[in-house]
Amino acid sequence: QTVVTQEPSFSVSPGGTVTLTCGLSSGSVSTTSHPSWYQQTPGQAPRTLMHSTNIRSSGVPDRFSGSILGGKAALTITGAQADDECDYYCVLFVGSGWVFGGGTKLTVL
Amino acid sequence: EVQLVESGGALVQPGGSLRLSCSASGFTFNNYFMHWVRQAPGKGPEYISTISGNGDTTLYADSLKGRFTVFRDNSKNTLFLQLNSLRAEDTAIYYCVKDRSGTWSFDVWGQGTLVTVSP
Repeated sequence: QTVVTQEPSFSVSPGGTVTLTCGLSSGSVSTTSHPSWYQQTPGQAPRTLMHSTNIRSSGVPDRFSGSILGGKAALTITGAQADDECDYYCVLFVGSGWVFGGGTKLTVL
Repeated sequence: EVQLVESGGALVQPGGSLRLSCSASGFTFNNYFMHWVRQAPGKGPEYISTISGNGDTTLYADSLKGRFTVFRDNSKNTLFLQLNSLRAEDTAIYYCVKDRSGTWSFDVWGQGTLVTVSP
């Protein structure tokens, strides 16, 4: 069974930079895993942030960027703002379907 | 504007069945794969199923095969998910999600419908 790993929590200061990662329990993440990222605030449906590793969805600020770092997918927020505080989920396509990571709760303080 | 509106969520007893619907508008429905994703209370989202634009191809999460069935009615721009043999652990918000063509990713999400499985 494929497990997608994310940091359970992360903290960043306002204006700071943070990189969230998304890995595989066995093996490395590459662009062929088609990494995508989703943002969710409490009580709301997820919102698509990024697809195809590093392509921002319409309306997503350019302080969000995606990449592959050290065998993991990465979401970097540059110049974090208070309203970036929420849950972030990555998704990988693993051949027979999609698998969500467990999510990272980002705190901005 | 793309809109997805789920309905059909309810309180159901263990072992029961339920059919969820998702009404789509704002795009050419039969041109897109569609997905179902669920989220249990306090947990992260979980992939359930995918169906191709013409309905000929379906995918399911391995853990859910056999109990859930996805289908669509393109004449009514509606996606469905049939839930059978429901268990307490199926309690979740069920989201309908439009595919982002060619990217193996999810695009627009509905607001979800709540399914509660309890005696």
